[in-house]
Amino acid sequence: AQTIHQWPVAEIKAVGSPLSLGCTIKGKSSPNLYWYWQATGGTLQQLFYSITVGQVESVVQLNLSASRPKDDQFILSTEKLLLSHSGFYLCAWRRGRGAETLYFGSGTRLTVL
Amino acid sequence: QQKVQQSPESLSVPEGGMASFNCTSSDRNFQYFWWYRQHSGEGPKALMSIFSDGDKKEGRFTAHLNKASLHVSLHIRDSQPSDSALYFCAARHVGDNSKLIWGLGTSLVVNP
Repeated sequence: AQTIHQWPVAEIKAVGSPLSLGCTIKGKSSPNLYWYWQATGGTLQQLFYSITVGQVESVVQLNLSASRPKDDQFILSTEKLLLSHSGFYLCAWRRGRGAETLYFGSGTRLTVL
Repeated sequence: QQKVQQSPESLSVPEGGMASFNCTSSDRNFQYFWWYRQHSGEGPKALMSIFSDGDKKEGRFTAHLNKASLHVSLHIRDSQPSDSALYFCAARHVGDNSKLIWGLGTSLVVNP
């Protein structure tokens, strides 16, 4: 069975500080990977997606960047946090063939002060 | 304009009642639809996908798709307090395999 793990569970950071969020998928080779952002009680905004190692496509940047250093790992980062970065960050994967369902991790709650 | 519109914004039903959600697309090229459910503090979980006209039933959940009217609905019968959550409709464009377009969600409260 496939599992998806996000870390950390929650972060409280200062404006202007750096950030790195991670996501690991086990049990599935070469998944399509996604980063989403969600305001509290709001809809989901896709930020980045990756279909293979080293390849990341940006949908909405929001002064964030993403990397896929390994087949099973997806990293979201920024060098300088803004207040607007606060929210819920979700990593997701899908098999990548056709109209496949997205499977989400449990998310990281980010508060920028 | 939101390409995937959901209604109502919020919904309250008694335990054992029927909860109904609606979703309308403004683009005829959105052909593949999903319903997701998100409990507070968790990631969304897929409930059902529906790609063909008609009904699709899975346990207490029934989805209906009408491509002609670009309308998809979800019905939960015998609602339970554990069904209280945020429900999202998501759609995929026939020509773009890379992303889902999400509605704004419907908040469901099931009262014991």
